[in-house]
Amino acid sequence: RKEVEQDPGPFNVPEGATVAFNCTYSNSASQSFFWYRQDCRKEPKLLMSVYSSGNEDGRFTAQLNRASQYISLLIRDSKLSDSATYLCGAGGFKTIFGAGTRLFVKA
Amino acid sequence: EAGVAQSPRYKIIEKRQSVAFWCNPISGHATLYWYQQILGQGPKLLIQFQNNGVVDDSQLPKDRFSAERLKGVDSTLKIQPAKLEDSAVYLCASSSGGGAFEQFFGPGTRLTVL
Repeated sequence: RKEVEQDPGPFNVPEGATVAFNCTYSNSASQSFFWYRQDCRKEPKLLMSVYSSGNEDGRFTAQLNRASQYISLLIRDSKLSDSATYLCGAGGFKTIFGAGTRLFVKA
Repeated sequence: EAGVAQSPRYKIIEKRQSVAFWCNPISGHATLYWYQQILGQGPKLLIQFQNNGVVDDSQLPKDRFSAERLKGVDSTLKIQPAKLEDSAVYLCASSSGGGAFEQFFGPGTRLTVL
């Protein structure tokens, strides 16, 4: 079993749709959690950290469920510019990343 | 604030040759990471430095890969000799603390081994 697993994707959604990504982690000692966005042939860029209480940044909402060991990312009102790969990471001593979920938002 | 710098951006070599990558982290960041990202996969940690000491290198193929971070700032990653399966993007990242902290990535070096 991989340490961090994500929905395999790709997700194809129309503009304006709401899309949710899920990520599970196996190390219960993980302390911090992240969502990164990676555009094609670019480096990952931090989208948001995920806190126990959940956090929201505009159209993006992240949730953490420690009991079930998963984190989620919700994107509301999808834009064409949201098309990218979304990586989740679970950190502690070191951060382990999932394989990413590719999102295509179409007009 | 300047981000993480890496060079070269692209490198093409033949198998069995050697190659070196350089990384300069964000100023003041104590922790530096080297990741390997193969197409379609997430970044895989190769080595993590805290200042100039190695914190984790459990997934570094030590028979061919080496890394150093002299003086706790810049770092180099070397592959000698390269294999076809080393073709990947090598990403350097830095953070102000350890693995539980937010990491900031450099642009990466895209390596092609022929």
